[in-house]
Amino acid sequence: KQEVTQIPAALSVPEGENLVLNCSFTDSAIYNLQWFRQDPGKGLTSLLLIQSSQREQTSGRLNASLDKSSGRSTLYIAASQPGDSATYLCAVEGGKLIFGQGTELSVKP
Amino acid sequence: NAGVTQTPKFRVLKTGQSMTLLCAQDMNHEYMYWYRQDPGMGLRLIHYSVGEGTTAKGEVPDGYNVSRLKKQNFLLGLESAAPSQTSVYFCASSYSRGSYEQYFGPGTRLTVT
Repeated sequence: KQEVTQIPAALSVPEGENLVLNCSFTDSAIYNLQWFRQDPGKGLTSLLLIQSSQREQTSGRLNASLDKSSGRSTLYIAASQPGDSATYLCAVEGGKLIFGQGTELSVKP
Repeated sequence: NAGVTQTPKFRVLKTGQSMTLLCAQDMNHEYMYWYRQDPGMGLRLIHYSVGEGTTAKGEVPDGYNVSRLKKQNFLLGLESAAPSQTSVYFCASSYSRGSYEQYFGPGTRLTVT
């Protein structure tokens, strides 16, 4: 059974800092991995999707990597801003989308 | 282009009452999904559909029924609500599986007393 873990559960950083969020999964037989952002009381917004054949994807200040063999993904956020404060969820698809519990990020001005 | 919309946004039910949550998407997506999100449990798949007229069970289907009579709509029904069904419900859609992103609606916050 696929299990997805995100560490840390919460992270607080000062504005301008570069940071890395971690995601690990137990079954490497996946189609893709997605990173989502969720603001309080809101739905999920897709940030990046990495297909199983890819190693990384970039969008603006975000860079996500995927290492299927080790069952790990990272989301790198450069030059963090207070507007980046949200919960970040990773999810792997191997037939169904299985989510991690998320990392709650707070960027302090 | 509204994306994925859900109605209602909030609802309070008494134990034993029934209700239907409506999800609509205007992206011509084949796949649609219903999830529930609970503190400490994350998002879990309730039911999904791979096309008009099809439905399938997800991880936590008990107590829920679904229908996909039209491609753009996916309905989630609770026949006899229980307090354990208090949750935030999200609908999502995607073009297909594999390489395609899932797009989520804004959610429905349901409380069962």
